[in-house]
Amino acid sequence: EAGVAQSPRYKIIEKRQSVAFWCNPISGHATLYWYQQILGQGPKLLIQFQNNGVVDDSQLPKDRFSAERLKGVDSTLKIQPAKLEDSAVYLCASSFPGQGLIEYFGPGTRLTVT
Amino acid sequence: AQSVAQPEDQVNVAEGNPLTVKCTYSVSGNPYLFWYVQYPNRGLQFLLKYITGDNLVKGSYGFEAEFNKSQTSFHLKKPSALVSDSALYFCAVSSGGGADGLTFGKGTHLIIQP
Repeated sequence: EAGVAQSPRYKIIEKRQSVAFWCNPISGHATLYWYQQILGQGPKLLIQFQNNGVVDDSQLPKDRFSAERLKGVDSTLKIQPAKLEDSAVYLCASSFPGQGLIEYFGPGTRLTVT
Repeated sequence: AQSVAQPEDQVNVAEGNPLTVKCTYSVSGNPYLFWYVQYPNRGLQFLLKYITGDNLVKGSYGFEAEFNKSQTSFHLKKPSALVSDSALYFCAVSSGGGADGLTFGKGTHLIIQP
């Protein structure tokens, strides 16, 4: 079974530029999550999708971050414009109700904003 | 609001000795508790979980964790540490019947010395 795929793995941009990350969850996983992991901290949930609907985006900075999961499969997270404090690893995870709430994580995208 | 505390930034253990990584939590309602491990340049990997039932849960790679409701703790343990156990360990909690995304602690570096 293929795992959660993310691209790109690394991205360097200047502040005020825009950037997009892509995630393809494990096949059949209805729930998809985006987390932000700043160096030295634990991951923080940004947004949770159930199929193509948003379940929780309470911690998403909506003035600059957006995410979509149009067909209920893969997802894109966008930052526009980026700030220095957005430098972090962006993790995508997916889960399936029948697997006991376990979240399966992708390798992450490391974003550096200069 | 839910939260997780991992009081130790780093735990050092000699190979072959028992190890404990501490975690306490705060959540409304019944907690769903998880441990994940992160190796360098790799995504988070699920180790074990507690949802209901026996307070002692067993997981991957010989790890186990004990749920203590009165102390609101979920410490990770292993009877005999291996050098290969050296990694970053995260405790996480979910509420809302487990349908919510995870709230993570800041992580504990486990270093096993040969």
